[in-house]
Amino acid sequence: GAVVSQHPSWVICKSGTSVKIECRSLDFQATTMFWYRQFPKQSLMLMATSNEGSKATYEQGVEKDKFLINHASLTLSTLTVTSAHPEDSSFYICSARVFGGRGLGEQFFGPGTRLTVL
Amino acid sequence: GQQVMQIPQYQHVQEGEDFTTYCNSSTTLSNIQWYKQRPGGHPVFLIQLVKSGEVKKQKRLTFQFGEAKKNSSLHITATQTTDVGTYFCAGPGAGSYQLTFGKGTKLSVIP
Repeated sequence: GAVVSQHPSWVICKSGTSVKIECRSLDFQATTMFWYRQFPKQSLMLMATSNEGSKATYEQGVEKDKFLINHASLTLSTLTVTSAHPEDSSFYICSARVFGGRGLGEQFFGPGTRLTVL
Repeated sequence: GQQVMQIPQYQHVQEGEDFTTYCNSSTTLSNIQWYKQRPGGHPVFLIQLVKSGEVKKQKRLTFQFGEAKKNSSLHITATQTTDVGTYFCAGPGAGSYQLTFGKGTKLSVIP
C-alpha cells in the first residue's frame, strides 16, 4: 500500500516556540493531504485539508494563523504550530488519499507526531 | 453537519469471544470505511463498503453496510490478542475526499 511518513515522530518544545511537522508521501503523489489532531482516547478531528499549490481549507474552529499549512509539492505538506502553548499538546496525524489505482478512496495515514508543549 | 456515531466506546472481551461495533450516520452515506488503530499507532485502512446491504469478510472480520446505507457494523469472531486496538468507522465528509470519523470503539482482549 501507499506509504506516508511524518517527521518528527515526537517533539517537546517550550511554550511560545513554533514547531514544524512534515508529512511526505513516499511512493505516490498526493495532491490532497489531511491534517488531524487526536487527543488521548479520542477520535480523529480533521483540522484542515491541504491542497498542493493552493491554500489549505481549515475546519471550523481551527485557527489558520496558528496552524500554518504549506503544501509546496506533490509529496510534501507541512504543518507549523506557531507560538505553541500547552493546550496544543496532542497527537498530530497527516493522511493522504491515493488517486487512481484501486480507487477505493481510502486514506493512508502517517505514523503521527506527538507534540508536548511545556 | 454529518455525524457518525459509534458504539460502544469501549469493549472488553475474553480471548475467543466475539466482538461487534456499530456505526450510525445521521445521513445516507455513499460509502463507509473502517480503520484500525493499534495502541500508540496510526489508523490503518481495513475496508470500504459501497453497496446497500453489502457484506464483506476478511478472515475473522465481517463488515456489513445497512440497507439504508446509514449504518454499518464490524464483527470479529473469536477475538485474539492481536485484535486489540481502536476501530473507527468513517463516512464521507463535507469536503472533497474528506472523511468524518466516528469516535471509535476501543477493544481490549483479555488473554
